[in-house]
Amino acid sequence: AQKVTQAQTEISVVEKEDVTLDCVYETRDTTYYLFWYKQPPSGELVFLIRRNSFDEQNEISGRYSWNFQKSTSSFNFTITASQVVDSAVYFCALSEYNQGGKLIFGQGTELSVKP
Amino acid sequence: DARVTQTPRHKVTEMGQEVTMRCQPILGHNTVFWYRQTMMQGLELLAYFRNRAPLDDSGMPKDRFSAEMPDATLATLKIQPSEPRDSAVYFCASGVWTPLGGGSGANVLTFGAGSRLTVL
Repeated sequence: AQKVTQAQTEISVVEKEDVTLDCVYETRDTTYYLFWYKQPPSGELVFLIRRNSFDEQNEISGRYSWNFQKSTSSFNFTITASQVVDSAVYFCALSEYNQGGKLIFGQGTELSVKP
Repeated sequence: DARVTQTPRHKVTEMGQEVTMRCQPILGHNTVFWYRQTMMQGLELLAYFRNRAPLDDSGMPKDRFSAEMPDATLATLKIQPSEPRDSAVYFCASGVWTPLGGGSGANVLTFGAGSRLTVL
């Protein structure tokens, strides 16, 4: 069965600190995709990144970076030098190819960045 | 930027009333999803369509919820009769799914702004 676990319910940091949001997934498929979405206080869900199961290269985009490790079934997200605007709920999600592309979300991690 | 449009943005109704939420997916997207977000359950998948055909609605309470795509530009989620426990934010999302050989095979879902439903 497919499952996504975000063990950290809430994280609070001070601006400029680095912070890592953890994501662990379960799947029996060999072809799958992992996602991160951001939900700011305004409520919409904003796509951040997609990774497929064949590509374990880490990715960096500005202050954001993602570490995908199949050996530990993890897809962690790090924000470097956090800013107040990073305050949001972050969701990790899994899509199995044989499930027609539907996303299964983790419970989300609420990040609060204080000035 | 192309957007998924949801209406209404906010709805307050009384228990027992019918509620219809509408979604206009992005033109050219062939999959449409309905999710519900609550504090207790997080983001739950209710139903989804590909090329307007329902693929999975196992997440919906069948006795009161129904989802349809009367055409490629409109998806609807109806609750009849509504109950207080249906209070939530309902998100519509659309994306493109292609067979693995012909493309990524994966949806990058674009979400609408959500419809916040309050049932009194």
